[in-house]
Amino acid sequence: GDSVTQMEGPVTLSEEAFLTINCTYTATGYPSLFWYVQYPGEGLQLLLKATKADDKGSNKGFEATYRKETTSFHLEKGSVQVSDSAVYFCALSDPRTSGSRLTFGEGTQLTVNP
Amino acid sequence: GAGVSQSPSNKVTEKGKDVELRCDPISGHTALYWYRQSLGQGLEFLIYFQGNSAPDKSGLPSDRFSAERTGGSVSTLTIQRTQQEDSAVYLCASSLADGEQFFGPGTRLTVL
Repeated sequence: GDSVTQMEGPVTLSEEAFLTINCTYTATGYPSLFWYVQYPGEGLQLLLKATKADDKGSNKGFEATYRKETTSFHLEKGSVQVSDSAVYFCALSDPRTSGSRLTFGEGTQLTVNP
Repeated sequence: GAGVSQSPSNKVTEKGKDVELRCDPISGHTALYWYRQSLGQGLEFLIYFQGNSAPDKSGLPSDRFSAERTGGSVSTLTIQRTQQEDSAVYLCASSLADGEQFFGPGTRLTVL
């Protein structure tokens, strides 16, 4: 079945550092890929998405490119802020094989220190 | 407009008791999803509704778990004879057809 693997956390960075959170996936179909973010005390929010190979999703300075050849969707940000501290989840949906349900990675806790 | 709401926000129960968790989706959203977030298992899909029908119940972990949706709106997730391993945060999400899923704040269930 479909699965998502994220780099293990937690990740601790200083403000203005470069961020990469790795995400790879296994899917039999042609999934859409997502990054969700969960800020402390809040619900899950969609951060960005990409629906086909080579698409780049971007939002709030974060970017991720759908790489079919490496089955990856790594999250990057050039300069993190303290307010980016949260848990980040990579996810996929594959309507042709598993409907519109989301399959999530384990989550990566990011802490940004001033 | 209002987002997805869930109640209660916290529930503490004793092992063996039944619990009901409620989800109010965004008005007009036809699709509704239940997920579970637990320390050992991460974020897992439980069940999906399209209108009042549940075409995908494959994530329900046992027959102690059931869910219904009435009027194409409110959904209730029921756990019978709760066990300690049921302790988790139960998340509800809704969407338009196959669109972006919007998540509620969750219900934290603790089974003593």
